[in-house]
Amino acid sequence: QVHLQESGPGLVKSSETLSLTCAVSGSSIGSGYYWGWIRQPPGKGLEWIGSIFHSGSTYQNPSLKSRVSLSVDTSKNQFSLQLTSVTAADTATYYCTRGGAIAAAATHYWGQGTLVAVSS
Amino acid sequence: DVQMTQSPSTLSAYVGDRVTITCRASQSVNSWLAWYQQKPGKAPKLLIYKASFLESGVPSRFSGSGSGTEFTLTISSLQPDDFATYYCQQYNYFWTFGQGTKVEIK
Repeated sequence: QVHLQESGPGLVKSSETLSLTCAVSGSSIGSGYYWGWIRQPPGKGLEWIGSIFHSGSTYQNPSLKSRVSLSVDTSKNQFSLQLTSVTAADTATYYCTRGGAIAAAATHYWGQGTLVAVSS
Repeated sequence: DVQMTQSPSTLSAYVGDRVTITCRASQSVNSWLAWYQQKPGKAPKLLIYKASFLESGVPSRFSGSGSGTEFTLTISSLQPDDFATYYCQQYNYFWTFGQGTKVEIK
């Protein structure tokens, strides 16, 4: 059974960098899937942030691309998100996800989500 | 960018009703379309992928259809557990979600 668990600070100051990690169990990061991040502001809809393949190739939402950095750590079976220069608009629940073996795949597995608030 | 538009935004229905939600794409996404169900405080759950394929473990009262730019999610007989918000997602060009459809009890 695939399990994803997000971790990271629940509060980040405006203009600083949001950093989250997703620990994966039941599936190997190096097994050839796309690993990604999706966020949801309170009371609003879902927004894809970016995805990374185990080889390190990445895709980012064009609206966030300049601020997003994705990485994988196969030794720890986890992957990470960094979002720079955060503002109140980045306050959201952040989900880590596992997609398919190709980029054109639905999101079959989701973490439980972690709420990150940006304070001024 | 591919824009996804769902209708309606809110839907009120009775238990046992047949419910249909529509999702339209701003350009063709072929059949690369998924549907998710989300309940308050929970992560979304995949229901349908590739427009019409039922995810394992999902009740057969859920079905999806469409291709190109117009898609539908149908619940054949609404159950109490189905009151939730539903999202469509295209994954033909990056990944984009619709704004969601909240299904409420009438």
